[in-house]
Parts: sequence; structure tokens; C-alpha cells
Amino acid sequence: DAGITQSPRHKVTETGTPVTLRCHQTENHRYMYWYRQDPGHGLRLIHYSYGVKDTDKGEVSDGYSVSRSKTEDFLLTLESATSSQTSVYFCATRPGQPNEKLFFGSGTQLSVL
Amino acid sequence: AQSVTQLGSHVSVSEGALVLLRCNYSSSVPPYLFWYVQYPNQGLQLLLKYTSAATLVKGINGFEAEFKKSETSFHLTKPSAHMSDAAEYFCAVSGRNQAGTALIFGKGTTLSVSS
Repeated sequence: DAGITQSPRHKVTETGTPVTLRCHQTENHRYMYWYRQDPGHGLRLIHYSYGVKDTDKGEVSDGYSVSRSKTEDFLLTLESATSSQTSVYFCATRPGQPNEKLFFGSGTQLSVL
Repeated sequence: AQSVTQLGSHVSVSEGALVLLRCNYSSSVPPYLFWYVQYPNQGLQLLLKYTSAATLVKGINGFEAEFKKSETSFHLTKPSAHMSDAAEYFCAVSGRNQAGTALIFGKGTTLSVSS
């Protein structure tokens, strides 16, 4: 699939610590998204970006922040991790129009103990 | 705001049987609709999408879906299930007029295929 790399692939951390997940793309796609996947909830949008330094909140944005200082990188930060943020996080990108498909990264498994 | 509802969190079929996964959408205007598949420990990949050309959309791996405006549905079907079809399937919706709009996903349906 498209060149989308998420790092780290797995992370275990403790409650209260800050955590940053990175999404890197080589496709020059304009739009980038962070989703979390939890059993019984499907994928829920956390934040998205429609350009460098242009971001907006999704439906489950509390406790998360994002930054996009250049086209290829979209960072997701958990300010102070909680056990409820244990999840699989997926980054996705899209070239432009809403009828185009999303390209997904392989996901990051985050465990907050 | 758009939303999708997937009826049935788990569907079980026998190999060779018809696969039917249900999706209903909510939108004030005809949206773009997608079906994605996720195999274990992988990301999502696109099966097919509806973007208002033909109402019957054919996708990869023998899947197809029909857009029915009167029923606000976009059900996914496959005439004959294969063991390799076992996966989780997500229906998703996107608004037409907002280029940056994210896809909104349903909660997913896990398909099990028995021999």
C-alpha cells in the first residue's frame, strides 16, 4: 500500500506519562487522520489534518493533541496517558477528494498500565 | 452529520454460502459509501466504494454492494464464501462537499467462515 509508516508499532507505558505516536507518509497526501480502534466501537476519529499546521478535532479528541509541521509527518500526543487510552491507533491519509479511499498504516498497539 | 449502522456484530456462514453484511447510512444528502476489510493484525484495505456512478458496485475478491437510496442501505454481498474471507468488515461514510471530511466508520462486523 501507500508509504505510510507508524512508529512505534508497540508501546507499553505507565499512567500519567506523555506519549507521542508518529505517522510518516511519503505520498504527499494532503489529508491525514488519527483513529483509534477498540472492540465493539470500530474506528473512531481522534483528530485530522487538512494541511500543514491545519488540524481539527474528531469525535474522541479529549486527552489527545496533534501537530503537523510538515506534510509528511502527523504526530499524536497523549498528554497524560490513562488506561482508557489503551487501544490500537491507526494513521490514515487521503490525497484530496472525499470520494477517494483512505490509505492506512499498520497501526500502533498502545498499552497504558 | 453522517453516520452508518452495521447490523450484526458477528456473522457466521459455511464455506460456499452467501455472504450478506448489512449497512445502513444516515445522511441528509447522498453520501460516498465505502466497505473496508481488516484481516487479523493488519490495517484496513478498501473493498469497494460508491461515488454515485452505478448503484451496483463491484469490488475485490468477488464482493459487491448495492446502493439503495430508498432504504438508505449499502449491503455487502458475496455469492460464495471462502475460508479466506474470514475478517472484520467496516462500512464507512463520507460527506460529498467537504474535501477534508474524515470517513466515519461503523462498529464493524466479524465474518466467520466454517468448512
